[in-house]
Amino acid sequence: AQSVTQLDSQVPVFEEAPVELRCNYSSSVSVYLFWYVQYPNQGLQLLLKYLSGSTLVESINGFEAEFNKSQTSFHLRKPSVHISDTAEYFCAVSKTGSSYKLIFGSGTRLLVRP
Amino acid sequence: DTEVTQTPKHLVMGMTNKKSLKCEQHMGHRAMYWYKQKAKKPPELMFVYSYEKLSINESVPSRFSPECPNSSLLNLHLHALQPEDSALYLCASSQEGTGVNTEAFFGQGTRLTVV
Repeated sequence: AQSVTQLDSQVPVFEEAPVELRCNYSSSVSVYLFWYVQYPNQGLQLLLKYLSGSTLVESINGFEAEFNKSQTSFHLRKPSVHISDTAEYFCAVSKTGSSYKLIFGSGTRLLVRP
Repeated sequence: DTEVTQTPKHLVMGMTNKKSLKCEQHMGHRAMYWYKQKAKKPPELMFVYSYEKLSINESVPSRFSPECPNSSLLNLHLHALQPEDSALYLCASSQEGTGVNTEAFFGQGTRLTVV
């Protein structure tokens, strides 16, 4: 079985500061890894994903995440955050070849202050 | 079109009512999902349909009844709900199979309140 741990329930940060949202996973099989973002009263949007290949993946809005197999981590980073990045961020894992059972972490609320 | 459309956006229903949530996608995805999300919690999988057949039921109470009338539509029929069923209900879809492009696309959700 897979599990996901997001250690920080809330991360407050000032605008234009860097941020890291931590995600660790546990699995006995190969997995796909995802970061989803949820803005208030909205559904989930895929931010980025690791399926295979390069361990560093990037999104179009400046976020990046690095898959670290030895540390079983997939931390999300952004060098300079904006007020509009305030949202809930969910790390998720699924077995390779199947997105049937996305296992979500408990979520991290990123709160960007001016 | 990379959208999953859910209707209605908001729903208030009494405990004796019968209502349905609807979900539609036109991405050619053959796997569709219902998730339930309580406030400040991650989504929890309820049902999975694969090629219009129910493939996973995560021990959901029978007052929730899913239906997949065709490859583009997914319904969730609600009957005799309890106040604790109030939540955001999310629909998602993905490609079927073992290829790499199997990430799930989510709709905006239906905010359900049971009174």
